[in-house]
Amino acid sequence: GAVVSQHPSRVICKSGTSVKIECRSLDFQATTMFWYRQFPKKSLMLMATSNEGSKATYEQGVEKDKFLINHASLTLSTLTVTSAHPEDSSFYICSASTPGQGGYEQYFGPGTRLTVT
Amino acid sequence: DAKTTQPTSMDCAEGRAANLPCNHSTISGNEYVYWYRQIHSQGPQYIIHGLKNNETNEMASLIITEDRKSSTLILPHATLRDTAVYYCIADTTGTASKLTFGTGTRLQVTL
Repeated sequence: GAVVSQHPSRVICKSGTSVKIECRSLDFQATTMFWYRQFPKKSLMLMATSNEGSKATYEQGVEKDKFLINHASLTLSTLTVTSAHPEDSSFYICSASTPGQGGYEQYFGPGTRLTVT
Repeated sequence: DAKTTQPTSMDCAEGRAANLPCNHSTISGNEYVYWYRQIHSQGPQYIIHGLKNNETNEMASLIITEDRKSSTLILPHATLRDTAVYYCIADTTGTASKLTFGTGTRLQVTL
């Protein structure tokens, strides 16, 4: 099946610094990638939809200036958490969409655990 | 996207079939039923999806009722590695649309 990677898998940063998370589709091209956030024992919550070559579409309540998304190529999207604070500590997961049988299928990365101290 | 309802948790003995139900009574004609699972601290894993007909792959079977208001995911021989949260999602496809995750069913496979 299609493989999506994320880097880093785990990161600890100090409050006020910025952190970049990469999401790559390894064996397919993805025109659309999605970024989710998951707090402990909660479900995934969509943050934004990222289309290659255009601006990301953010969900209501997600600050676009704080969570910068870049989708520069068909295999790479990045999420930068700017001026991180402890409340940004979470599990960040990306997914990439590709055509499959019966329509599009989404494949998820392994996630990045961010801890802000 | 149509709302889906799943039991909060289920237990299953290893080697037995795990049958996970999902209600999606407001599903529209162009919405597929998707199943994903998430093992602890990992990204969700795609399992199967279908529109009207029952589907089977190497991981599971998906049984969709004739009126499409509910479905059941079947893991034919559950193993300890199948312990995870299973999400049932109703979504249109063909447009690479976003997926809306509910709370899912926490399946615990026991010896």
